Amino acid sequence: EAQVTQNPRYLITVTGKKLTVTCSQNMNHEYMSWYRQDPGLGLRQIYYSMNVEVTDKGDVPEGYKVSRKEKRNFPLILESPSPNQTSLYFCASNPAQGRGRDTEAFFGQGTRLTVV
Amino acid sequence: GENVEQHPSTLSVQEGDSAVIKCTYSDSASNYFPWYKQELGKRPQLIIDIRSNVGEKKDQRIAVTLNKTAKHFSLHITETQPEDSAVYFCAALLLNNNDMRFGAGTRLTVKP
Repeated sequence: EAQVTQNPRYLITVTGKKLTVTCSQNMNHEYMSWYRQDPGLGLRQIYYSMNVEVTDKGDVPEGYKVSRKEKRNFPLILESPSPNQTSLYFCASNPAQGRGRDTEAFFGQGTRLTVV
Repeated sequence: GENVEQHPSTLSVQEGDSAVIKCTYSDSASNYFPWYKQELGKRPQLIIDIRSNVGEKKDQRIAVTLNKTAKHFSLHITETQPEDSAVYFCAALLLNNNDMRFGAGTRLTVKP
């Protein structure tokens, strides 16, 4: 089954304690991205990756890091989480745009992070 | 970079009525415009999309229109049902780098 898997689904942590949210896709998609969803602000892009070893900042990258060492995995790292990073996080993947190819973005189940 | 604006932020309709959600985008290089539906507590899922070489696309009760000149596109839902209640996101995909940007979302409520 084609899917994007995020872990954990829920996380409560304390300020300053490093954490990683994992994201894995089994569709051989080139493009992966991370979004945070906050009430009234929609889906804001944190980082994206066009392929292995290629990452770039989205609209709200401050306080986050990512890596893309393998095509299937795109972890989101919070080196020193702060309360303003409390949010719902979604990972997404889609194939590189090409003639006749579907460009649908598939989302993970979401990770609800609370930083106290 | 691309900027996508979406209106309204909330929309309430009676069951059976139509609902229209509008989006504008800034980058004329964008060529793919999907719409995602997010039900409460779930992940966003694609419901319909349109490419820039097409002006309108329909799938049963939902349709999307695109005006490239004006850089705006709209989602139309006819004969709304309570199960259409959700948050809807529009998005625009940049041609050059596959970078998808979303609107802020519209919370649609369909009252029985």
